[in-house]
Amino acid sequence: GAGVSQSPRYKVAKRGQDVALRCDPISGHVSLFWYQQALGQGPEFLTYFQNEAQLDKSGLPSDRFFAERPEGSVSTLKIQRTQQEDSAVYLCASSSGGTGSGSPLHFGNGTRLTVT
Amino acid sequence: GDSVTQMEGPVTLSEEAFLTINCTYTATGYPSLFWYVQYPGEGLQLLLKATKADDKGSNKGFEATYRKETTSFHLEKGSVQVSDSAVYFCALGNQGGKLIFGQGTELSVKP
Repeated sequence: GAGVSQSPRYKVAKRGQDVALRCDPISGHVSLFWYQQALGQGPEFLTYFQNEAQLDKSGLPSDRFFAERPEGSVSTLKIQRTQQEDSAVYLCASSSGGTGSGSPLHFGNGTRLTVT
Repeated sequence: GDSVTQMEGPVTLSEEAFLTINCTYTATGYPSLFWYVQYPGEGLQLLLKATKADDKGSNKGFEATYRKETTSFHLEKGSVQVSDSAVYFCALGNQGGKLIFGQGTELSVKP
């Protein structure tokens, strides 16, 4: 069975470049989350979608970060004008339930972004 | 705001030793509590969860009890194996649906 798939697995970007990270959630999953995990730290929440609606983007660190899920399935996290502090693993997770449902999150393996 | 604090690693144990990884939380309301595990080269996986006070979550020989009075959710296992070597994350889930993670504790089990 397919889990959450993220691509690319690794991305190296020069400072100032734009990047796009893709997440394919488990089919039929309503909720989709993006997290940022710095080296040696726990994941930190970035943003949350329920179907195509972005219900919470309080964790996005700056207006250079933008996420979308236009058809309620695949999601893309875009980072404009990357900075060195953006270097991290970006995790996507999906769940079958909506907010507060208690449905477990299923995580992808992440995209490791290195900004040089 | 809501937060999770867990003991720092790395924790190194011999096979069959007893494991405790401490986790305490600060939260408004009544969050659900989780332990996630990240094996080398793999994504985060849910290990166990508890949704209300005094609930005990258990899986694969691991267990943790939701203690509201001490705001804790310590992870325990009676006899660890080499295959348990991984990074363990404590997390709380609030009404907003998102998870708030601790910083992770690396466990290394030696044969």
